[in-house]
Parts: sequence; structure tokens; C-alpha cells
Amino acid sequence: KAGVTQTPRYLIKTRGQQVTLSCSPISGHRSVSWYQQTPGQGLQFLFEYFSETQRNKGNFPGRFSGRQFSNSRSEMNVSTLELGDSALYLCASTFDQGAYEQYFGPGTRLTVT
Amino acid sequence: AQTVTQSQPEMSVQEAETVTLSCTYDTSENNYYLFWYKQPPSRQMILVIRQEAYKQQNATENRFSVNFQKAAKSFSLKISDSQLGDTAMYFCAFMKHDGDDKIIFGKGTRLHILP
Repeated sequence: KAGVTQTPRYLIKTRGQQVTLSCSPISGHRSVSWYQQTPGQGLQFLFEYFSETQRNKGNFPGRFSGRQFSNSRSEMNVSTLELGDSALYLCASTFDQGAYEQYFGPGTRLTVT
Repeated sequence: AQTVTQSQPEMSVQEAETVTLSCTYDTSENNYYLFWYKQPPSRQMILVIRQEAYKQQNATENRFSVNFQKAAKSFSLKISDSQLGDTAMYFCAFMKHDGDDKIIFGKGTRLHILP
């Protein structure tokens, strides 16, 4: 089985722009979670989607949003980018709600200049 | 709210030695999972070991074992016969047992295995 894939792997954007990141979960997995990783804050939970519904959300401003499609692929969008949004964005998929083992993708490295 | 604390930002050990990474957590939940994740320099996060809070027996996966002390809210990882490939960032993590897929991570311990 192919693992979790994330595209693009690297991205450079300018302050004020918006960006969309994509995550394709492992085939058959229905839950996708997103995390932001920075040197200062570590790994922080952004949101989780299951069967196209956002089931959980972390403490991030409304500029961060996401969605999930019927094929379980997920996208996250960040509008009005700020320098502090520079981070590694990881997504993880699991087979079902509450399945403890999450499989992580390689991440998208976003740099905001 | 749950918190996970890793008090060792960085550690170095010689190859073949045993190393223990510390982790403490705080929660009012009774049922939960604890994990150790490994993030090598290539950045792909992988699960090393998990522990269900209701199990008293410490989890073991080959060279990796945990010391789970529920009352003390402590969850340390022991790596035996360390190998160069164990060099990575290690994250201790917590997840509630109620179907909530939100994982709370510690800040991580950067482990260097020296030849």
C-alpha cells in the first residue's frame, strides 16, 4: 500500500498570499488530521476530518481551514499568510475514528517571506 | 487540557549503549493512549511504540520498551543496543481513548547515536 502523500513538498509564499496544501491518505483510511510543526511551538494539532466532516479543531485562527473530499483526500488552506506560518505541515491518516495508529506523511515545508 | 512534557531537549549516546528518554504528562482522563514517535532527519514521522493506559504491562517492541507509571504520569522510552539509525527526534504523545484523534505531542528529544 502506498503511504500518506503530501503535495507540494516545498512551498515559498509571500506574506498576504494564500496557500493550499494537499494530503492523500493511505487507501481505505477515512480520517485525516493536520499538524503544524515549528521549532518554537513543536507539533500542534490543526484539525481532523472524518467522512468529509471536521470532527475536531485545534487553537488556530480562522485563516486556517480545511476540507475533506469523498475519496478521503484532504486539503488545508491558509489565507493571508504571515511570517509565523512558516512551518512543516504534516498530515496523518487513520482507518477509522479512534484508531490509535496514525500514519504520517512526509510533510509540506512552507516558507513565508 | 492535556499536556506532555519532555525534559531532555537533546541527548547523545554511543552506539550499542542503552538510552532512556523521559516523558511526563498531565491528564484527568482515565482511558488514553501514550505513544513514542520517531522523526528521522528525513522528516517522516513513524510510530515506535504505544501503550494503552488500562494495561499495566509495559509495551515492548524489539529493542524499544517503555516504563509506564500511570500514577506518576510518567512514560519513558528505553532503547537498548542503540544503533546509528536510531538517530532522530523522538516525540512522546498522548491521545484520549474516546475516539478523539487529536494527538498531543511533547516538544521532543533530539537523540544522537555516536559511532
